[in-house]
This record gives sequence, structure tokens and C-alpha cells, in this order.
Amino acid sequence: SYELTQPPSVSVSPGQPASITCSGDKLGRQHTSWYQQKPGQSPVLIIYQDIKRPSGIPARFSGSTSGNTATLTISGTQAMDEADYYCQAGDSTTVVIGGGTTLTVL
Amino acid sequence: QVTLKESGPALVEPTQTLTLTCNISGFSLSTSGMRVTWIRQPPGKALEWLARIDWDDDKFYTTSLKTRLSISKDTSKNQVVLTMTNVEAADTATYYCARLSYGGYGYYLDYWGRGTLVTVSS
Repeated sequence: SYELTQPPSVSVSPGQPASITCSGDKLGRQHTSWYQQKPGQSPVLIIYQDIKRPSGIPARFSGSTSGNTATLTISGTQAMDEADYYCQAGDSTTVVIGGGTTLTVL
Repeated sequence: QVTLKESGPALVEPTQTLTLTCNISGFSLSTSGMRVTWIRQPPGKALEWLARIDWDDDKFYTTSLKTRLSISKDTSKNQVVLTMTNVEAADTATYYCARLSYGGYGYYLDYWGRGTLVTVSS
């Protein structure tokens, strides 16, 4: 199996953009999803198939990919966006989840 | 409305077998393309994928725990069951079941249960 690598933490000021990266050897051939998890809650899908947003997810959340790195960007970060974020990829036989990034809105 | 709900013991003794059930509503496990996974999260740590079962009964496991895990489904009850043998303290975690969807461009977990906390201790 392979790993997805995320920075352990990212800090951002309110109103500023925040970016969280996810790197993995096979990301160039797989598609990435992103999840937001707030304390005491289940993860919530916020980006799938690299760039798509599920219904109800604010437009300030966006995803992109370049080579073996996927990036989650939050434009105009709000205090309510403070949470853990996980990337996920995989193929027909496995699910791979990154180690998670704690986003702090200072 | 899709919902998944995990159930199982809150406390398990070391070396025992853990059995968790995921009750599903809003979709049928017998429908082509449906897949359900189990994921766990130790306190304060990251998510870890454990196992997956498909509508056609295909089963997949994470390599590190493959010898200890077994996943099955009961389509009549629309349930997925995960068993883990020989549990130890490191298996203490919140266990989630989630639906794994495929849109032609990759797999994603679109619906999650609330999770059930399992503590392994004597």
C-alpha cells in the first residue's frame, strides 16, 4: 500500500486563503477526495473527484491537482472552518487516507 | 435519505473478538455499485481504512490487519458486520462505517455514520 502525506498543521488568519496539500506517488493516476472533521463529529465529504463539491458545501472550498499533489484551498477562511482535514484516494481494491491536517484560524 | 448507524460493545477485553454492526437505510446493499467500508480513528489520531464489502460480495482489507478482520453483509437486514479477532489496547478507537461511492473518476466516502467508540481494556 502507499501513503498520502499531509502537513500536520496549517494556520491562517480570518478572511485569508488557506491551502492544504496532499502528496502521494499514485495521485497522478488516482482521484482525491477531501473531508472536514470537527471535534466530536464524523468526517464530512467536502471535495470529491479532485474538484467537485457536494451539495451544501460552500463555494469557498475548492480542490485542485498537479502531478502527485492534490490541494484543498479555502478562500476567505472563516472561524467555522477550523477543523481537521483529511485527503483520501484509492483504487478498485483499497482506500488510502492521509494523516490529516489541523487547520487553525488565528 | 441515506443513513448509516454503527453499533457494538463499548468495552472489549484484550484477546477477545470484536463484532460491529452497521445498519443502513436509504440504499440497498444488493443494488449494483453499492459499497460499504469500515474506518477507525484512535483517540486524537488519524482515520484508518479497515475493510470494504461490495454489492456482489467482493471483500477487501487493509494489509496490516487482514489476518484479524472479516467483513460480511446481510442483505435481508441491510447490515454490514465487521469482526476483529484478538483485540488489543491499540484497537481502541471510534469505528465508523461509510458508503463508498464511485463516479467514474475515483472513489469517495459520501455518507458516514456517527461512529461507535470501542475501548479495549481488562
